[in-house]
Amino acid sequence: AQTVTQSQPEMSVQEAETVTLSCTYDTSENNYYLFWYKQPPSRQMILVIRQEAYKQQNATENRFSVNFQKAAKSFSLKISDSQLGDTAMYFCAFMKTGAGSYQLTFGKGTKLSVIP
Amino acid sequence: DSGVTQTPKHLITATGQRVTLRCSPRSGDLSVYWYQQSLDQGLQFLIHYYNGEERAKGNILERFSAQQFPDLHSELNLSSLELGDSALYFCASSVVSGSWDEQFFGPGTRLTVL
Repeated sequence: AQTVTQSQPEMSVQEAETVTLSCTYDTSENNYYLFWYKQPPSRQMILVIRQEAYKQQNATENRFSVNFQKAAKSFSLKISDSQLGDTAMYFCAFMKTGAGSYQLTFGKGTKLSVIP
Repeated sequence: DSGVTQTPKHLITATGQRVTLRCSPRSGDLSVYWYQQSLDQGLQFLIHYYNGEERAKGNILERFSAQQFPDLHSELNLSSLELGDSALYFCASSVVSGSWDEQFFGPGTRLTVL
């Protein structure tokens, strides 16, 4: 079974600054994907970024980028130029591939507050 | 808007009762996943259906059951409800894209058991 750990229950950042959210995972699988999801106060789950485990290059989506360290089983999310709309819960998630079912295993989440 | 709809948005009921949560996937999506988000357990996978067939089960209680109908909508049935079943229940639909699938989440159903 896979486990995902987010060690920072809450974080805050000043608007326009950069913040990094941490995530570690444990798995014996070789083929998987990692994700960061955002859950704003509306409760809607929104995919922020994904990383394929077989790719060494870190994924980037506009102001969001990841630092994927496969050997260390670490997957952190960096948010640059933080905006008030980034205030949300952020969940790190793991997906095993090739098994016919692609359920997500989530961490407990990090509550991020962007301060004006 | 993800294109996934869930009804009802809110549900308040009493212990021992039975409820049904409904999910309509995006047009063309064959997979429906159900997740439970609670303060105690966080976000956890319950069950996955693909084109009417059960594909995988997670931490789903025996009091809970689900099905996916020929029109691809899915229902999650929760019976003999307990206070601890109070949670936000999400469904997500997806279409497999190679070796992974992007799951699109509905807005959730907030269940309160009193």
